[in-house]
Amino acid sequence: DAGITQSPRYKITETGRQVTLMCHQTWSHSYMFWYRQDLGHGLRLIYYSAAADITDKGEVPDGYVVSRSKTENFPLTLESATRSQTSVYFCASSEMGSVETQYFGPGTRLLVL
Amino acid sequence: GQNIDQPTEMTATEGAIVQINCTYQTSGFNGLFWYQQHAGEAPTFLSYNVLDGLEEKGRFSSFLSRSKGYSYLLLKELQMKDSASYLCAAFVSGGYNKLIFGAGTRLAVHP
Repeated sequence: DAGITQSPRYKITETGRQVTLMCHQTWSHSYMFWYRQDLGHGLRLIYYSAAADITDKGEVPDGYVVSRSKTENFPLTLESATRSQTSVYFCASSEMGSVETQYFGPGTRLLVL
Repeated sequence: GQNIDQPTEMTATEGAIVQINCTYQTSGFNGLFWYQQHAGEAPTFLSYNVLDGLEEKGRFSSFLSRSKGYSYLLLKELQMKDSASYLCAAFVSGGYNKLIFGAGTRLAVHP
């Protein structure tokens, strides 16, 4: 099916573990984004990518790593999970980085114990 | 700094009209997005304003005043399914083009 998907949808992990959240889009959009959503903070940008092999930091990148070897995939890795990384993570994509609307995936709910 | 403010919660009655306000203080402002987000779901696009004035799209309208740093989303003929969070986001440039989101306004529509 066309669109943007995320996996897993729910994840429980322990402090110190490495976790990878997957994001896949079928529109061939150039830009992809990772956000986290926490109560009272709204959506905050973690990392974004303008194209394959081009990534850059957003507002809150510490503790996260991204890669983009293929246009359609944009995985987000928590190298050593901390409790403060408990959040809902949304992946988004847009055709261009400028005025084009961003389309969001369904989200991954991550709990770090 | 970059700042977006919107009320945390609002309630309204089915069939009524509600206005959700958003004020922003940003540099490199290009335009203002509104997204709708139902509980446990992804945000979905509602509107984008780049010029001053009102843009109408069915039951939903969005207004922008660039000189005042102010926008609102107007929802008419409210339905129960309109119960959701409404996210205001400023589209800004500077380094890279990005969205700066407000914390969202949770709207509860009652019968």
